[in-house]
Amino acid sequence: DIQMTQSPSSLSASVGDRVTITCRASQTISNYLNWYQQKPGKAPKLLIYAASSLQSGVPSRFSGGGSGTDFTLTISSLQPEDFATYYCQQSYTAPFTFGPGTKVDIK
Amino acid sequence: QVQLQESGPGLVKPSETLSLTCTVSGGSVSSVGYYWSWFRQPPGKGLEWIGYIYYSGSTNYNPSLKSRVSISVDTSKNQFSLKLSSVTAADTAVYYCARDFPHNAHGLDVWGQGTTVTVSS
Repeated sequence: DIQMTQSPSSLSASVGDRVTITCRASQTISNYLNWYQQKPGKAPKLLIYAASSLQSGVPSRFSGGGSGTDFTLTISSLQPEDFATYYCQQSYTAPFTFGPGTKVDIK
Repeated sequence: QVQLQESGPGLVKPSETLSLTCTVSGGSVSSVGYYWSWFRQPPGKGLEWIGYIYYSGSTNYNPSLKSRVSISVDTSKNQFSLKLSSVTAADTAVYYCARDFPHNAHGLDVWGQGTTVTVSS
């Protein structure tokens, strides 16, 4: 299985901050990398697919980058509704695997 | 817009079979180009892919669960279902169904709200 890691595991930030989360795959996955946001008690929400494509309806302050094994999710100006846990997921080969998550909370 | 809703027992006894159904509304499970997936999330933990099915009936399962899992589709009812046999406490989790769009790198663009399943006697 392809192992996914994320860093940091958690971070504290203020409204308006620029936040970057890193995801690394244990082998190359081209651009088959998706990012999700999950709030407590809710289902995950797709933010970014294919490493850098913004899902319809998602604010443009979210952006993704990278290819191969190293990827990033950036929130350009953190908003109150962005405090949540973020997961990356590889969809290059089954079993599709997720990173352990990065929890973003209020500083 | 497409919506998904999971249903099934919230409590299952050890060694028995967990059975869940996902009902698709606002769209069709027979839509070409979409897979229909199951995931789970144990309490306080991360997400695990269980498997997916295409409307034709072709499936792909997580090898770690393959011997115990079965996903089926009922196009007449616009539903797809999950069966997980010989459950243990380790199968206690929130179970989600989701729509997988392979054209967009298998992005999971629609999710059900999730249903909690507890394995306990």
